[in-house]
Amino acid sequence: LAKTTQPISMDSYEGQEVNITCSHNNIATNDYITWYQQFPSQGPRFIIQGYKTKVTNEVASLFIPADRKSSTLSLPRVSLSDTAVYYCLNTNAGKSTFGDGTTLTVKP
Amino acid sequence: DAGITQSPRHKVTETGTPVTLRCHQTENHRYMYWYRQDPGHGLRLIHYSYGVKDTDKGEVSDGYSVSRSKTEDFLLTLESATSSQTSVYFCAISEGRELPVNDFGPGTRLTVT
Repeated sequence: LAKTTQPISMDSYEGQEVNITCSHNNIATNDYITWYQQFPSQGPRFIIQGYKTKVTNEVASLFIPADRKSSTLSLPRVSLSDTAVYYCLNTNAGKSTFGDGTTLTVKP
Repeated sequence: DAGITQSPRHKVTETGTPVTLRCHQTENHRYMYWYRQDPGHGLRLIHYSYGVKDTDKGEVSDGYSVSRSKTEDFLLTLESATSSQTSVYFCAISEGRELPVNDFGPGTRLTVT
């Protein structure tokens, strides 16, 4: 499973929409794109998964272009509690290769 | 961390000693995974299981072995612990082959001195 590339860190302010983009140039046909959130001293928490186009759930949206070589996680109206590390992964058969993630810091 | 427990939660051991970490689930999920996470980095897959007695290697399996004799338990063994195996170990589960891992355990912090 190929590793993905994400920005190391991002800053935002409460109430703003945050978009985190991930590059996965070597994504395989059978790979899904999965995003996780991790707080310090906790295991990752599943946020959203998609294969193509757009997926939305109660916490986030995931935008995937037609070539699937990138994806964008969109977090609407972030709060201080959204400060965490966000991981983008290519997932196949439940197996995932984690990169180093994006540390999102939400400021008041 | 719905339905996943890990034991012990913290352990300090000496180089060369064997160590076994336990993951227990109450969700009856078929797939179970062991990951390790080092400071400032993402998780790396050690081993995974796709059923009782069915296991396979991940990307960093050297120095580790696993066993799964019951659906609910997945054991990770370090046959002879080394300082490079100092890490936080996470267990995870998923319902099916095509589904994402959506439940991780609380983690075990292992220090090898």
